[in-house]
Amino acid sequence: DVKVTQSSRYLVKRTGEKVFLECVQDMDHENMFWYRQDPGLGLRLIYFSYDVKMKEKGDIPEGYSVSREKKERFSLILESASTNQTSMYLCASSLSLRVPQHFGDGTRLSIL
Amino acid sequence: KNEVEQSPQNLTAQEGEFITINCSYSVGISALHWLQQHPGGGIVSLFMLSSGKKKHGRLIATINIQEKHSSLHITASHPRDSAVYICAAEKGAQKLVFGQGTRLTINP
Repeated sequence: DVKVTQSSRYLVKRTGEKVFLECVQDMDHENMFWYRQDPGLGLRLIYFSYDVKMKEKGDIPEGYSVSREKKERFSLILESASTNQTSMYLCASSLSLRVPQHFGDGTRLSIL
Repeated sequence: KNEVEQSPQNLTAQEGEFITINCSYSVGISALHWLQQHPGGGIVSLFMLSSGKKKHGRLIATINIQEKHSSLHITASHPRDSAVYICAAEKGAQKLVFGQGTRLTINP
């Protein structure tokens, strides 16, 4: 079974901090995704990566950046955290389809 | 108006009941996905379909392309089926538009 692991289930940070959310997949998948999930809005794509060092902006990239230095790891970075970035963040991967197939358990991030 | 609408938003039923969750979309799609999100947050992909019907165990997904409508059915529902069910329309390369989800609670 494919395993997508997010480093934290819950995280509390302060406004202005630089925040790193880590995601690792163990099946050599090409594609990795970062979503945020908010009540009433569903999942929204922040960034997508289709190979090492390659990335594409999703629907809501503002305030975020990503890093993919190794194939198995895709990091989401909040450069200067703000309260409106309090949300559930979900990482996902897929082998060849450019849509997510396997999701992590999510990180519930609170920015105070 | 959202491009993908689910109904109902919340559904409570008794164990053993037949469950139907509906998904309507207003965009042209290449496929329709059904996902299941457990209370802990993890999401599991249930189905991807572009026509007709798919079945996996007690779960059945159907799609009517002309009517832009899909349904997810659960037969002989069980408390462990309690979860949020999400449909997502695949519009093109890496473009999924998600519905808001249907929270299903099955009481014993």
